[in-house]
Amino acid sequence: DVKVTQSSRYLVKRTGEKVFLECVQDMDHENMFWYRQDPGLGLRLIYFSYDVKMKEKGDIPEGYSVSREKKERFSLILESASTNQTSMYLCASTPPPGGLNYGYTFGSGTRLTVV
Amino acid sequence: AQTVTQSQPEMSVQEAETVTLSCTYDTSESDYYLFWYKQPPSRQMILVIRQEAYKQQNATENRFSVNFQKAAKSFSLKISDSQLGDAAMYFCAYRRTFGNEKLTFGTGTRLTIIP
Repeated sequence: DVKVTQSSRYLVKRTGEKVFLECVQDMDHENMFWYRQDPGLGLRLIYFSYDVKMKEKGDIPEGYSVSREKKERFSLILESASTNQTSMYLCASTPPPGGLNYGYTFGSGTRLTVV
Repeated sequence: AQTVTQSQPEMSVQEAETVTLSCTYDTSESDYYLFWYKQPPSRQMILVIRQEAYKQQNATENRFSVNFQKAAKSFSLKISDSQLGDAAMYFCAYRRTFGNEKLTFGTGTRLTIIP
């Protein structure tokens, strides 16, 4: 069964800390994504990557950066955590479109609290 | 820019009854995918059903079916014979077929099943 694994289910960090959220997929997918989920706002795209060392900004990239050194791993970095970054973070991956089972596979999320 | 609208923040249905969740979207593209995702309390996003815009036939997966009206830009999800395990947040999502693979989500509908 295909998997996207996020390293932490819950995380509590202090304001100003540098925070790393890790995501690993075992499906050899080219495309990986980081979304933020907030009540009433749905999921909003922070960054995505379509290849190793390639990245593109999503809709809300401010205050975040990403790293993709290996195909299977996509990291989200909060350079200096702030309380307004308290949220649920979801990682996803997907192959190129067109396959019979095409769709996004999501991790189980990291609930980050910044105090 | 593409937008996805779910106008029902919450819905409830009696167990074994049928419920329909609404979704509308806005796009100037002619080729795209539409998805319904389910997010139960476990937080794992699960793909429920997928529709490719070029296909006129509505997608069906067991008790789940869609009513895809391309001209009206409407994509509703019908759940038949509702079960307690169907209780979850449901998200409608869009992505264009060509170009970057960004998924645009609606704000979600929380479905409650009444025993």
